[in-house]
Amino acid sequence: GIQVEQSPPDLILQEGANSTLRCNFSDSVNNLQWFHQNPWGQLINLFYIPSGTKQNGRLSATTVATERYSLLYISSSQTTDSGVYFCAVRERGSNYKLTFGKGTLLTVNP
Amino acid sequence: GAGVSQTPSNKVTEKGKYVELRCDPISGHTALYWYRQSLGQGPEFLIYFQGTGAADDSGLPNDRFFAVRPEGSVSTLKIQRTERGDSAVYLCASSFQAGVVGELFFGEGSRLTVL
Repeated sequence: GIQVEQSPPDLILQEGANSTLRCNFSDSVNNLQWFHQNPWGQLINLFYIPSGTKQNGRLSATTVATERYSLLYISSSQTTDSGVYFCAVRERGSNYKLTFGKGTLLTVNP
Repeated sequence: GAGVSQTPSNKVTEKGKYVELRCDPISGHTALYWYRQSLGQGPEFLIYFQGTGAADDSGLPNDRFFAVRPEGSVSTLKIQRTERGDSAVYLCASSFQAGVVGELFFGEGSRLTVL
């Protein structure tokens, strides 16, 4: 099956700093989603981005499907951004199964 | 409802007991998924329903695990003879359709602890 690798595994920032999280995948995909898992375990949808670039406030994401990677940008980070960020992909040829990476644990200190 | 609803949010049980976890998907969503998340890992696929039928149950770890969705809406994940290794967060998700445009929305999960 498809492999999804996220980097870095852990990241510690001071409030106000910017960061870039990366997701590499081993095969062609027809869906890619970024999630934020908050400290209570809820998976919050950030972006549905199989290709291209999207922005939502301080967050933006870019997926380059031909090169098999996606980037999540967080600008002017806040303590509430802390948590685990997951990338999940749907392999081309599958129309339902999402495969998750292991996540990036982000800690934003005040 | 407005989002995917899962009950119970927490379940503590003893080894060998039977457990049921319930998922109420977003109204109108035809596709429903169960995932399991162990500590420090990303969620892993268990089973997928399109309507009432289980279209793919290849992620269920063994025959102690079973899931149903009798009316094409609410789903129940059933675990028989629970083992300590079953302890995890069980996540349910739904999507409007299972095609390539289907964005998944997750519930808050049911945390199962087997003592």
